[in-house]
Amino acid sequence: GAGVSQSPSNKVTEKGKDVELRCDPISGHTALYWYRQSLGQGLEFLIYFQGNSAPDKSGLPSDRFSAERTGGSVSTLTIQRTQQEDSAVYLCASSLDPGGPAYEQYFGPGTRLTVT
Amino acid sequence: GNSVTQMEGPVTLSEEAFLTINCTYTATGYPSLFWYVQYPGEGLQLLLKATKADDKGSNKGFEATYRKETTSFHLEKGSVQVSDSAVYFCALSDLGGSQGNLIFGKGTKLSVKP
Repeated sequence: GAGVSQSPSNKVTEKGKDVELRCDPISGHTALYWYRQSLGQGLEFLIYFQGNSAPDKSGLPSDRFSAERTGGSVSTLTIQRTQQEDSAVYLCASSLDPGGPAYEQYFGPGTRLTVT
Repeated sequence: GNSVTQMEGPVTLSEEAFLTINCTYTATGYPSLFWYVQYPGEGLQLLLKATKADDKGSNKGFEATYRKETTSFHLEKGSVQVSDSAVYFCALSDLGGSQGNLIFGKGTKLSVKP
């Protein structure tokens, strides 16, 4: 079946502009995660959605970052007033019930963001 | 807090050599442990996992054993191939907590030469 998809695959933006990154999780997966992969910091957790519960935003690096998940499916990560240090690959992952025995996160191909 | 430490790379081996990539963790509760692999130009893929102490995860000739006494989950393969060249990430998920997000090590780049 279809995996996790992300769009765009590449995004170049000017410093100070806002960007929106999209993630389509695997159908039926209740949990959705955003991570950031950068050379200096490795892979960092950003935000986690589980069903209809309030998201865990504990990994967001600043208030310029926000995310929403509409209808328990598609998610959008928004970065306002982008800075050069936001340049990274943004990864989305989804999973079935995180507490279940079949728990596994499936990752999308990522969006490479370059802030000039 | 929870954390994962893995050996720094890059690691360069000849084909058919033995591979070990060390990974140790710090966690509250009883985490699940994972190895993810990222091949050049591709996304992260789960390689293997173990959900409790003494479990051994295995896949594609790779294996790792969950050692609670040494808080380790070292990745091993008896005979590497050129196609194993990739970046390997050790990760944990504390399913006893309120969320299942993964905490990753910094990754180890493996290059296998013919």
